[in-house]
Amino acid sequence: GQNIDQPTEMTATEGAIVQINCTYQTSGFNGLFWYQQHAGEAPTFLSYNVLDGLEEKGRFSSFLSRSKGYSYLLLKELQMKDSASYLCAPESNQGGKLIFGQGTELSVKP
Amino acid sequence: DVKVTQSSRYLVKRTGEKVFLECVQDMDHENMFWYRQDPGLGLRLIYFSYDVKMKEKGDIPEGYSVSREKKERFSLILESASTNQTSMYLCASSEDQATGTEAFFGQGTRLTVV
Repeated sequence: GQNIDQPTEMTATEGAIVQINCTYQTSGFNGLFWYQQHAGEAPTFLSYNVLDGLEEKGRFSSFLSRSKGYSYLLLKELQMKDSASYLCAPESNQGGKLIFGQGTELSVKP
Repeated sequence: DVKVTQSSRYLVKRTGEKVFLECVQDMDHENMFWYRQDPGLGLRLIYFSYDVKMKEKGDIPEGYSVSREKKERFSLILESASTNQTSMYLCASSEDQATGTEAFFGQGTRLTVV
């Protein structure tokens, strides 16, 4: 089975840094995706971690600890356009099956 | 440019109707997925397919079936639509079973069952 936990909502200020946490329990774990979804739009890919540690990609970084079943997404220099839902998705080795957490709704305020 | 296309953006159907939601991808992807998205519940996997004519149940398959006769097309079927199937339905596709291949999503179909 699979259990994914991330906060429902977060609020941050423009220009600040925010960390969105995700804990998961899954059988046959391969790696972990983060997706971004703006209201009324389809989710889009942000990052994928397979090894422990931090992966940096511009203003966005993603961290994974396989032994702890824990990941976070770090957003720096927040912009208003970063207001969106952020979805954590552990990847199963069961034939490409992709299960998502409920998502964290981030609101960036001026 | 990669593309996953869902046949309708908005759909209104009556209770008891048989409903077909169509999804087509042009990337020659092996994997295709159907999700529904509801406020507070996130994206929930209904069915996925890793090859033509192959399908696997997701977390909430009850009341749904799927068909994948061709690689590029994955159809979601509501055998007898009910009001609790009112939702946003999202289709996605990804490459084969290699790890870390991102999924591409369609724009979604907002289905209302009255």
